[in-house]
Amino acid sequence: AQTIHQWPVAEIKAVGSPLSLGCTIKGKSSPNLYWYWQATGGTLQQLFYSITVGQVESVVQLNLSASRPKDDQFILSTEKLLLSHSGFYLCAWSLATGHTGQLYFGEGSKLTVL
Amino acid sequence: GQGVEQPAKLMSVEGTFARVNCTYSTSGFNGLSWYQQREGQAPVFLSYVVLDGLKDSGHFSTFLSRSNGYSYLLLTELQIKDSASYLCAVRDSNYQLIWGSGTKLIIKP
Repeated sequence: AQTIHQWPVAEIKAVGSPLSLGCTIKGKSSPNLYWYWQATGGTLQQLFYSITVGQVESVVQLNLSASRPKDDQFILSTEKLLLSHSGFYLCAWSLATGHTGQLYFGEGSKLTVL
Repeated sequence: GQGVEQPAKLMSVEGTFARVNCTYSTSGFNGLSWYQQREGQAPVFLSYVVLDGLKDSGHFSTFLSRSNGYSYLLLTELQIKDSASYLCAVRDSNYQLIWGSGTKLIIKP
């Protein structure tokens, strides 16, 4: 069975500090991977997606960057956090060949920037 | 421009039904999905439709009318635990998902 795990579950960080959020998928080879951001009560906003190791496409950057160093790992990071980075970050995967729109989400990482 | 619209809130009563509406205007159409999202949790996939008509999946049914850019999610025999936000997402011609802002369903006893 496929599992997706995000870390950390929650973070409280200061403005201007760095951030790294991670996501690992087990049990699925070469999935499509996605990073989403959701403000409290807001709409899901796709940030990045990756269809293969080493390749990441930006949809909306928001002063963030993403990398896929391994087939099963997706990292979201920034050197300097802004207040506007607060929210819920979700990693998701989908089948590489599937067009059904089914995304499998991780548990999410709640980020509070003070 | 592209957009997916949903009412912000919907109230219903336990044991009855609720219909969550979604209207969309996108460049192309490659299917529409519904997700359930509980407070503070990740969305969970419920249904995917690409052809017109009603798709019955028991507790959840989904209707699509591509000519009208309209879909609804029908929940029957509502339980209190069905209280959640329901998100509609449309896949456009580039296979990008365009998300609605979600409908918060409140179910009263």
